[in-house]
Amino acid sequence: AQSVTQPDIHITVSEGASLELRCNYSYGATPYLFWYVQSPGQGLQLLLKYFSGDTLVQGIKGFEAEFKRSQSSFNLRKPSVHWSDAAEYFCAVGAGGYQKVTFGTGTKLQVIP
Amino acid sequence: GAVVSQHPSRVICKSGTSVKIECRSLDFQATTMFWYRQFPKKSLMLMATSNEGSKATYEQGVEKDKFLINHASLTLSTLTVTSAHPEDSSFYICSAGDGQGEQYFGPGTRLTVT
Repeated sequence: AQSVTQPDIHITVSEGASLELRCNYSYGATPYLFWYVQSPGQGLQLLLKYFSGDTLVQGIKGFEAEFKRSQSSFNLRKPSVHWSDAAEYFCAVGAGGYQKVTFGTGTKLQVIP
Repeated sequence: GAVVSQHPSRVICKSGTSVKIECRSLDFQATTMFWYRQFPKKSLMLMATSNEGSKATYEQGVEKDKFLINHASLTLSTLTVTSAHPEDSSFYICSAGDGQGEQYFGPGTRLTVT
C-alpha cells in the first residue's frame, strides 16, 4: 500500500529565509506526487505535482519540489519565505493520476518576522 | 481555474439528526468526486469515490450506511451524515476530477455535532 511520511510536524522559519519541507513516500511503481497547502479553516490548494519527466517541478507561489527516486523523496523548497506562506503543507502520493491519493500528516509552517 | 464549492461551510447539528453537505463543480463537469475527512491536527482521509450515476466506492472502515453519497449529476455530489454523533464532528472536504487528470478541492465543511 502507498504511504507518505512528513517527518516534520511543525517548522518555524524567519521571513526571507529559505525553506525545505521533507516528504518521503512508499509506492511500488512510479508515483504521482503532489504538494498541497491549506490555510486555517480552508480547503486545499495544489502547489505542484509530479507525474513524469523533469524531476525538478516548479509550482505556484515560488515553490519547487524535486523528485528523487533513489531516496523516495519529494521535498518542497522555497528560496525566500513570505509571511503569507504560513499554513499547513501536505505531501500526497497517488496510484495513478488523481485516483486513490494518500496524504501525509502535514507540516505546519510558522513564519516569524 | 476551476472552482469547487461546498455548502454549507459550517454546520452545527444535534446528535441523532442528519446533515447533508453539497459539493458542486461550478465551471466544469466532474466525472469523479472524492470525499475526504480531516480530523483536528490530522491528515485527510479518503472516505469514498463517487462517479456520476453510479454507487460510490467506500474506503475500508467507512460506514456506507452512515455516510450516504449521491452523485446525481456531473456537477453535484452530496454527502449525508445520518444519525450524526459527536464523534462525526470533523472537517469534510470534497474534490472533483475534471476527467483530464486534474482534481480540484472544495473549501471544506466544518461539521459540529452537539
